[in-house]
Amino acid sequence: QQQVKQSPQSLIVQKGGISIINCAYENTAFDYFPWYQQFPGKGPALLIAIRPDVSEKKEGRFTISFNKSAKQFSLHIMDSQPGDSATYFCAASISSNTGKLIFGQGTTLQVKP
Amino acid sequence: ETGVTQTPRHLVMGMTNKKSLKCEQHLGHNAMYWYKQSAKKPLELMFVYNFKEQTENNSVPSRFSPECPNSSHLFLHLHTLQPEDSALYLCASRNTGAEDTQYFGPGTRLTVL
Repeated sequence: QQQVKQSPQSLIVQKGGISIINCAYENTAFDYFPWYQQFPGKGPALLIAIRPDVSEKKEGRFTISFNKSAKQFSLHIMDSQPGDSATYFCAASISSNTGKLIFGQGTTLQVKP
Repeated sequence: ETGVTQTPRHLVMGMTNKKSLKCEQHLGHNAMYWYKQSAKKPLELMFVYNFKEQTENNSVPSRFSPECPNSSHLFLHLHTLQPEDSALYLCASRNTGAEDTQYFGPGTRLTVL
């Protein structure tokens, strides 16, 4: 019930292409869904986040699509660039709780020039 | 210093050693977290402190002992660790009254011989 399942584990995309990473959850009490980006040797950094009252959120080239009925959400990276090569984690939490984030397994993205 | 800092960045220790990891946040946040990041596994929450009080212990073995003397500092005391405890240990902080975003430090890469 507390798991967040993320796929794919790794992804290779050509420069300019669209990268898509998917996550699924079970606990309907989750009400905050962030995506974190992690570069080697660095801690994860918040990329974009969404709440279940909207179906899509866009910030620059990054878009979260949220499907509440299917309990799924995804990250779309448009016009992918080599600098986007990193590991991406989806997560979920219950805002009224301790802020405990349940993370997906991570997706290693490589954008080829 | 800005954001969340962690020291040391790298640590090698024997199974009989005692060492401590330090985390400091310069963001004025009131909650602090320890996470463990192992290869091929999701980030695992270890401990949560809110206003210096421990609010969550995620079934962490007693060989890991957290300490939070004030809202800006968090320690993880280590003793008689096992090789499987080798991982990246990440600290994060959050302002529980304002937002759900957790801000991560760069982590301490721990190797247990």
